[in-house]
Amino acid sequence: GAGVSQSPSNKVTEKGKDVELRCDPISGHTALYWYRQSLGQGLEFLIYFQGNSAPDKSGLPSDRFSAERTGGSVSTLTIQRTQQEDSAVYLCASSLGRLRGGGNEQFFGPGTRLTVL
Amino acid sequence: DAKTTQPPSMDCAEGRAANLPCNHSTISGNEYVYWYRQIHSQGPQYIIHGLKNNETNEMASLIITEDRKSSTLILPHATLRDTAVYYCIVRATYNQGGKLIFGQGTELSVKP
Repeated sequence: GAGVSQSPSNKVTEKGKDVELRCDPISGHTALYWYRQSLGQGLEFLIYFQGNSAPDKSGLPSDRFSAERTGGSVSTLTIQRTQQEDSAVYLCASSLGRLRGGGNEQFFGPGTRLTVL
Repeated sequence: DAKTTQPPSMDCAEGRAANLPCNHSTISGNEYVYWYRQIHSQGPQYIIHGLKNNETNEMASLIITEDRKSSTLILPHATLRDTAVYYCIVRATYNQGGKLIFGQGTELSVKP
């Protein structure tokens, strides 16, 4: 079956421009997560959606970052006025969203590699 | 969520068992141990998880010590395709968000 998909796979932009990154989760998965991985760094949590709501935005690094999710499905991560330090691979994951217990494994997409010149 | 400690790198010969250790000495009773791996240039992949008992699936086995302060991920017959960074993550059952806090992981190199 279809996994998590992300687009574009690569994005090169100039400093100061806005970018939008898209994530299509696995059908039926209510939970959706955005992470990013900078060169040589670990994976860093950004934001979590349950349905269309975002109860945890604690990982967004600045107010230039925002995300939305519509119809409990597709999510868009927007970065305004991009800076060079925003260069990273942005990963999206989805899960069934069971609220308690284990087994809530996350399925990751291939990521979007963002390069800010 | 409890912090985990893993060796930064390990080597394993192809066809042999790869045993990846993880220390989580501050784990509490309601925290699960999860393992993910990330093959180069791909997104992380779920491997296995457990609470108290040892677990086995088609990918690996997870051995958790009786005091739950450490665990070992076992890949029984490592192949070159198992070369990846392996992450041990501890997550509470009450963590309703389910976000994963990744450490630096162990870079496993499977050699012919």
